[in-house]
Amino acid sequence: GENVEQHPSTLSVQEGDSAVIKCTYSDSASNYFPWYKQELGKRPQLIIDIRSNVGEKKDQRIAVTLNKTAKHFSLHITETQPEDSAVYFCACNSGGSNYKLTFGKGTLLTVNP
Amino acid sequence: DAGITQSPRHKVTETGTPVTLRCHQTENHRYMYWYRQDPGHGLRLIHYSYGVKDTDKGEVSDGYSVSRSKTEDFLLTLESATSSQTSVYFCAISEQGAEAFFGQGTRLTVV
Repeated sequence: GENVEQHPSTLSVQEGDSAVIKCTYSDSASNYFPWYKQELGKRPQLIIDIRSNVGEKKDQRIAVTLNKTAKHFSLHITETQPEDSAVYFCACNSGGSNYKLTFGKGTLLTVNP
Repeated sequence: DAGITQSPRHKVTETGTPVTLRCHQTENHRYMYWYRQDPGHGLRLIHYSYGVKDTDKGEVSDGYSVSRSKTEDFLLTLESATSSQTSVYFCAISEQGAEAFFGQGTRLTVV
C-alpha cells in the first residue's frame, strides 16, 4: 500500500519565522495531496490541498509545493503566529483511488511568542 | 462544519466486551471512513465505505468490523475489545476526489 513519510515530527519556531514540513510518498499514481491541521482536542481540518497538475498553490500565509518526479510535497507557513501551533498532517490518495487517503504521522508545530 | 456526528464521544469499556461506534452524516456524501489516532502513528485507516453495503478494509482492520445499511450511517464494531484498541476514533466523509471532513472524534478506553 501507500507509504507516506513526514518530517520533522516536531518543529519549534519563533513567531514571525517560516516553518516548512516535508512529506514523501511511494505510489506514483497518487494525484491528490491535502494538508490537515489539528488543534489540541479538536478534529483534523483541511487547510490546503494540491493536485498533481500543478506544482505550487498558495493561500495567504500558507503554500504547498509538489515535486511529482521526486515524490515529495511540502507545506510552507510564513510569518508564523502562535495560533499556528498545532499538529499538521500530510496525506495523499492511495492505490490510484480518488477517495482513500493515507496520512503521514504528523508534525507538532510550536510557535513561540 | 460539515454535518457529521459521532456517538458516543467518550466511552470506557471492559476487555472482551463488544463496542459499537456510530457515525452519522447529513451531507449525502458517498464515501465514509473510520480512522484511529494514536500518538506517534498519525491517522490510520481502519475501514471505509464507498456506498451502501459496500465496504473494504484499511491498513489496521484486524479486530474491527463495519456496516453501512444507509447512506447516512456508518457503524464501527469492536467484537471483543482489547486494551490495544484504546484510541481516539475519527469518522470522515468525502465525495470522490474532494476534501475529507472529520467528525469530532470518539475517545475509547478499554480497561
